[in-house]
Amino acid sequence: AQKITQTQPGMFVQEKEAVTLDCTYDTSDPSYGLFWYKQPSSGEMIFLIYQGSYDQQNATEGRYSLNFQKARKSANLVISASQLGDSAMYFCAMREGMDSNYQLIWGAGTKLIIKP
Amino acid sequence: KAGVTQTPRYLIKTRGQQVTLSCSPISGHRSVSWYQQTPGQGLQFLFEYFSETQRNKGNFPGRFSGRQFSNSRSEMNVSTLELGDSALYLCASSLVMGRSYEQYFGPGTRLTVT
Repeated sequence: AQKITQTQPGMFVQEKEAVTLDCTYDTSDPSYGLFWYKQPSSGEMIFLIYQGSYDQQNATEGRYSLNFQKARKSANLVISASQLGDSAMYFCAMREGMDSNYQLIWGAGTKLIIKP
Repeated sequence: KAGVTQTPRYLIKTRGQQVTLSCSPISGHRSVSWYQQTPGQGLQFLFEYFSETQRNKGNFPGRFSGRQFSNSRSEMNVSTLELGDSALYLCASSLVMGRSYEQYFGPGTRLTVT
């Protein structure tokens, strides 16, 4: 079964509009972390934002915020005031557990294209 | 502070050959993880090294191996290359401290097997 689901393969958004990228996850571990990464066409994976399962507040990093709905197992990324440079692939990822065995489980990604 | 570096950036190999990819983490980072990215399978975890020890391994055949040196630099090796090994191989380093275990990625090595 898919542990990370990103239901939007691609999105077109007008510049300056807000964007919401969907991510749902599946885990039975009470301790987990959720990440969003951006991958431009150059290939490098860029960390955007992190949300821990015990965090009480939604994470925010500049124009990025994470809409964390724990009961629904949802961790949507919101980009406010989109820019042309936001065009890229966006990946949601999860780390299960808090011990030293660390690996990220990735979603299939959403290709975001910002239109001028 | 320099970011994660990977060499080479591009590589073309023939089926049956072997290949070694290198990753230098951010200074002070002791954990290095490797991922394979393909259009069909997406991003898949290969393995993670910490202080020269493999701590975690993904579901890949034994042809994929790695190691980490005392300076935290890591190499991964793929023996007896198959066409399906063509992929972008990403390396990530992390400090492994604090809550987030934030991983910083290198630019990747694009391997083409012909």
